[in-house]
Amino acid sequence: QKEVEQDPGPLSVPEGAIVSLNCTYSNSAFQYFMWYRQYSRKGPELLMYTYSSGNKEDGRFTAQVDKSSKYISLFIRDSQPSDSATYLCAMRASGSARQLTFGSGTQLTVLP
Amino acid sequence: DTEVTQTPKHLVMGMTNKKSLKCEQHMGHRAMYWYKQKAKKPPELMFVYSYEKLSINESVPSRFSPECPNSSLLNLHLHALQPEDSALYLCASSEGYSNTGELFFGEGSRLTVL
Repeated sequence: QKEVEQDPGPLSVPEGAIVSLNCTYSNSAFQYFMWYRQYSRKGPELLMYTYSSGNKEDGRFTAQVDKSSKYISLFIRDSQPSDSATYLCAMRASGSARQLTFGSGTQLTVLP
Repeated sequence: DTEVTQTPKHLVMGMTNKKSLKCEQHMGHRAMYWYKQKAKKPPELMFVYSYEKLSINESVPSRFSPECPNSSLLNLHLHALQPEDSALYLCASSEGYSNTGELFFGEGSRLTVL
């Protein structure tokens, strides 16, 4: 079993839809959770960074962490064609960025 | 301004060539990283520099040689690569190696080995 599981998709939604992207993990030591957006042939762009459990909102993006269930989510409201990209979750325990573990990424397409 | 700059964006080299990838950040970060990413896969850690010293080498073949001339610059020297080394090479930086800061990536250098 992988430490971090992420549905690779592909996921296609119509413009304006609410998108839900999810990752599950097995390592209870993970405390820092990140979501990256990666456009084709570009580097990952940090979207959200959260610590421990709870919600964080930034514009159309909301990140949720449920440590009791070992489950994290990224919600995109009013999705736009420009949101079409691969979304990577990443997480780590405290102490070292070496232990940053990525999900495999979910490919999202928002159709106009 | 959160920016990690990588050059060149694209590189094609033969198996006998020597080339270098370059990375620069001006965010005052003290940890810098090289990652390798194959198509449809997540990034894989290669090297970590903390305060200009090599902290981690993830058992990377010696045909990849990192160098950190100063706290803002990171190079990756390439020699005698194999076609399977073709990938997107990503540089990243964070405030420190052991703190809780976010990891910021550059746009990558796409390497093709013929």
